Amino acid sequence: DSGVTQTPKHLITATGQRVTLRCSPRSGDLSVYWYQQSLDQGLQFLIQYYNGEERAKGNILERFSAQQFPDLHSELNLSSLELGDSALYFCASSVWGEETQYFGPGTRLLVL
Amino acid sequence: DAKTTQPPSMDCAEGRAANLPCNHSTISGNEYVYWYRQIHSQGPQYIIHGLKNNETNEMASLIITEDRKSSTLILPHATLRDTAVYYCIVRVLNTDKLIFGTGTRLQVFP
Repeated sequence: DSGVTQTPKHLITATGQRVTLRCSPRSGDLSVYWYQQSLDQGLQFLIQYYNGEERAKGNILERFSAQQFPDLHSELNLSSLELGDSALYFCASSVWGEETQYFGPGTRLLVL
Repeated sequence: DAKTTQPPSMDCAEGRAANLPCNHSTISGNEYVYWYRQIHSQGPQYIIHGLKNNETNEMASLIITEDRKSSTLILPHATLRDTAVYYCIVRVLNTDKLIFGTGTRLQVFP
């Protein structure tokens, strides 16, 4: 158990809909990262937040957004969902300046 | 793009050492080598990391060549539970993001 929690574990929705994925980092970790893992693209970095501020952006679509709240939990919002958004979404956390990222168990999203 | 090259798959007998190679010939002087593994579709699990010295922890050993252009992850006594995809990652400078390649699928057999 990494100490990072993600909810929900599974999510099934329809095209065009909007969903929110939630991540709680390990106690004391200030940075949160979101990754997407699809069959054809592998594990890809989406976005990083540090202490509530966006820190780095990767291959995140404009339909996707994220935020980190004062209690340090983070949410990833996916809107206007398409079939191709079906994937595993992982959250990871780390202490600022610490090299190691610890990953949560992921949310499996299926868009029908 | 991933900055590492790994064999797509390897087999190892249970109880034997598993040696997973990784090539990172373009690594910069202050970039670390990280190893993660992913068992089935679980979240990636941190294994070990190093800069230029060999490292060992309770899970594995990391051997980095003197020129730092390649490294080897060693699982000293592989078990069936070590069957997973192993990712060798070079950490990008000035950012904490991890760039995953395609990894090595290690199959441990009885």
